[in-house]
Amino acid sequence: EAGVAQSPRYKIIEKRQSVAFWCNPISGHATLYWYQQILGQGPKLLIQFQNNGVVDDSQLPKDRFSAERLKGVDSTLKIQPAKLEDSAVYLCASSLAPPETQYFGPGTRLLVL
Amino acid sequence: AQSVTQLDSHVSVSEGTPVLLRCNYSSSYSPSLFWYVQHPNKGLQLLLKYTSAATLVKGINGFEAEFKKSETSFHLTKPSAHMSDAAEYFCALSGSARQLTFGSGTQLTVLP
Repeated sequence: EAGVAQSPRYKIIEKRQSVAFWCNPISGHATLYWYQQILGQGPKLLIQFQNNGVVDDSQLPKDRFSAERLKGVDSTLKIQPAKLEDSAVYLCASSLAPPETQYFGPGTRLLVL
Repeated sequence: AQSVTQLDSHVSVSEGTPVLLRCNYSSSYSPSLFWYVQHPNKGLQLLLKYTSAATLVKGINGFEAEFKKSETSFHLTKPSAHMSDAAEYFCALSGSARQLTFGSGTQLTVLP
């Protein structure tokens, strides 16, 4: 079974630029999560989708971050404009449905200069 | 509110010796608890999970953890460390909101 796919794996941008990350979950997984993992910390949930609807985006900085999950499959996370403090690894995870096990992708490492 | 505290940010052991990674939790709800491992430049891989069945949980690669409600702990152990165990380990909790709250991680170093 294929795992969670993410791209790109690495991205370097300058502050105030925009960036987008893509995630393809495991086939059949209804729930999709985006996490932000700052160096030295555990992952922090940004947004949770159930199919193509948002379940929780309470920790998403909505003035600069946006996410969508069209057709309940792939998802994109966008940052516009980026700040230095957005430098982190962005992890995507999927599960059949809560509280089932979450499976994580390899992450996208973002560096904002 | 729920939280997870990993008591050691770094642990070093010699190859072949036991591993103990400590995790305490706080939750007003009967939690599910997880241990994940993260190798460099890789995603998180589930080692094991506790979901209110047996309190001693066995996972992959010889790891196990014991849920102790009275101590609000879920420590991860392995009898004999291998070089390939060197990685970062995260304890996580899933409470009433069915969302994962992670600890800050423990970096395990295995010395030859």
